Amino acid sequence: AQSVTQLDSQVPVFEEAPVELRCNYSSSVSVYLFWYVQYPNQGLQLLLKYLSGSTLVKGINGFEAEFNKSQTSFHLRKPSVHISDTAEYFCAVSRTTGGFKTIFGAGTRLFVKA
Amino acid sequence: GAVVSQHPSWVICKSGTSVKIECRSLDFQATTMFWYRQFPKQSLMLMATSNEGSKATYEQGVEKDKFLINHASLTLSTLTVTSAHPEDSSFYICSARSRIENTGELFFGEGSRLTVL
Repeated sequence: AQSVTQLDSQVPVFEEAPVELRCNYSSSVSVYLFWYVQYPNQGLQLLLKYLSGSTLVKGINGFEAEFNKSQTSFHLRKPSVHISDTAEYFCAVSRTTGGFKTIFGAGTRLFVKA
Repeated sequence: GAVVSQHPSWVICKSGTSVKIECRSLDFQATTMFWYRQFPKQSLMLMATSNEGSKATYEQGVEKDKFLINHASLTLSTLTVTSAHPEDSSFYICSARSRIENTGELFFGEGSRLTVL
């Protein structure tokens, strides 16, 4: 079974400051890793994904994430946030075989202040 | 590409009535679609997995007679909330997996907010 833990439920940060949203996962099988963003009253949009290869993954809107196998982490970072980055962020894992059922973390609310 | 459209975005209904929500993949074929329910400030709760041409697989605790799911084609899945009650009020989101996509990436609809009076 897989599980995803997002360590922070809320992250307030000032505009133009860097931010890191933390995600740890556990799985007995190999997984793909994802970060999705959800704006109010909308569905989820893919920010980035890790499938294999380079552990540093770059996504949309200036976000990047680093896969750390030994620490089973996939933290999301952005060097300088904007007000428009205020949203809910979800880390997710999906098995690489056998149905691709996706497990989501509880979400982290990023609140960017002026 | 990879657009999923969900309709309606908002629906208000009276208690006891049924509501149908549609989820369409507009530019790809989706062999598998997923239906989620999301409560305020919470994560997505998977309700069921819908496979084209077969019965949906429901998660534990989800009433299959209450939440009817039909996946009649490779581009359309529907969720019908039968005899809706106020406790069914929620944000319902569908997602689809592309027939040719083998990475587990999900493409999400915009969500449907159901309010039962």
